[in-house]
Amino acid sequence: QSVLTQPPSVSAAPGQKVTISCSGSSSNVGNNYVCWYQQLSGTAPKLLIYDNDKRPPGIPGRISGSKSGTSATLGITGLQTGDEADYYCGTWDSSLSAYVFGTGTKVTVL
Amino acid sequence: HLQLQESGPGLVKPSETLSLTCTVSGGSISVSYYYWGWLRQPPGKGLEWIGSIYYSGSICYNPSLMSRVTISVDASEDRFSLQLSSVTAADTAVYYCAKYERRLRPDGFDSWGQGTLVTVSS
Repeated sequence: QSVLTQPPSVSAAPGQKVTISCSGSSSNVGNNYVCWYQQLSGTAPKLLIYDNDKRPPGIPGRISGSKSGTSATLGITGLQTGDEADYYCGTWDSSLSAYVFGTGTKVTVL
Repeated sequence: HLQLQESGPGLVKPSETLSLTCTVSGGSISVSYYYWGWLRQPPGKGLEWIGSIYYSGSICYNPSLMSRVTISVDASEDRFSLQLSSVTAADTAVYYCAKYERRLRPDGFDSWGQGTLVTVSS
């Protein structure tokens, strides 16, 4: 099983905000940069956040990332139906010497 | 615009070797600080990093798969390949190739292939 724990699901109405947590340890989240990926149904993952809080070109400002200690958080404001997807955190684990992903969170727009 | 495309058999028999190739187009595989990785996702499950390579041949593997994995690169053809030996049903997954930057140790995978489903079955 994954060393990064995420809630299985979160939901909110259109226009509202959701946050997704990614809980790890000092060997991964605590001492390495965290990324966030969005995976729409049947498609490849897409990078949303890198280096804990940076957005690649083309990712809107309503997507944000943060990190504190051994936990990271993805925030999505102004929720849209197109945000319905699975979201994964990812980072290097220095103890495992492997890039690891979180358990994944399904976002539902009510 | 960089594009990655996986190719290879969609069905592999148990105990045999899975072989996939990722072809890079719209750019060169030999760009400095561009690194190339293989990942997979079993149906209905999460993502797993398999290993990564640099155009010069430097490699790092996920220790959990290292004994069965070989990743190679053909920079002259802008492609890199994955071989996974002694496959079982547990290796059934969508396999992705992806790119990231900065260093061999994987970072944010910012370009992905569309993925290819490989089923292990007799």
